[in-house]
Amino acid sequence: DVKVTQSSRYLVKRTGEKVFLECVQDMDHENMFWYRQDPGLGLRLIYFSYDVKMKEKGDIPEGYSVSREKKERFSLILESASTNQTSMYLCASSSLANHEQFFGPGTRLTVL
Amino acid sequence: AQSVTQPDIHITVSEGASLELRCNYSYGATPYLFWYVQSPGQGLQLLLKYFSGDTLVQGIKGFEAEFKRSQSSFNLRKPSVHWSDAAEYFCAVGAEENTDKLIFGTGTRLQVFP
Repeated sequence: DVKVTQSSRYLVKRTGEKVFLECVQDMDHENMFWYRQDPGLGLRLIYFSYDVKMKEKGDIPEGYSVSREKKERFSLILESASTNQTSMYLCASSSLANHEQFFGPGTRLTVL
Repeated sequence: AQSVTQPDIHITVSEGASLELRCNYSYGATPYLFWYVQSPGQGLQLLLKYFSGDTLVQGIKGFEAEFKRSQSSFNLRKPSVHWSDAAEYFCAVGAEENTDKLIFGTGTRLQVFP
């Protein structure tokens, strides 16, 4: 069964902290994605990766960076968390040319 | 810019009633189209997808959707709604510049009354 896991379901951090969100998929997918979800705005793409060490900015990359050192793992990094980064963060993966994305359960991040 | 519009933010139906959720998209060629469902506190689950061929697509949980090129629409339907269908529904289209990327609508929240 296809699986995407995220390291935390809920996370509370303080302004200025460095935050790591981890995502792991077990489907040998080439593509991995990070989205943030806010009420009324749907899902917005932050970054995606189409191969190990390869990344591309999405629609809202400011304030975020990513790392993909292994095919199965894609990390989202908030270098200095701010209150406007309080949100639900969703990770997804897909195989090349299949287009269907499989999602993790999400991490609800609160920045105080 | 490419976009997906879900004009209904919130829909309320009675259990057993029929359902139609609207989705319109902007895209030059034949799009890849998806409907996802998100239960409270959960990630997204794929209901159905359209890539090509028959324009009426069957999905899981008794849902279907119809691709209408002339109307740039991909509306989701279910003949009889169950209380467990209460969730948020997202329509998505593969991006023109890279179909591995998806562009999502803002979602429709479905409430079901007994």
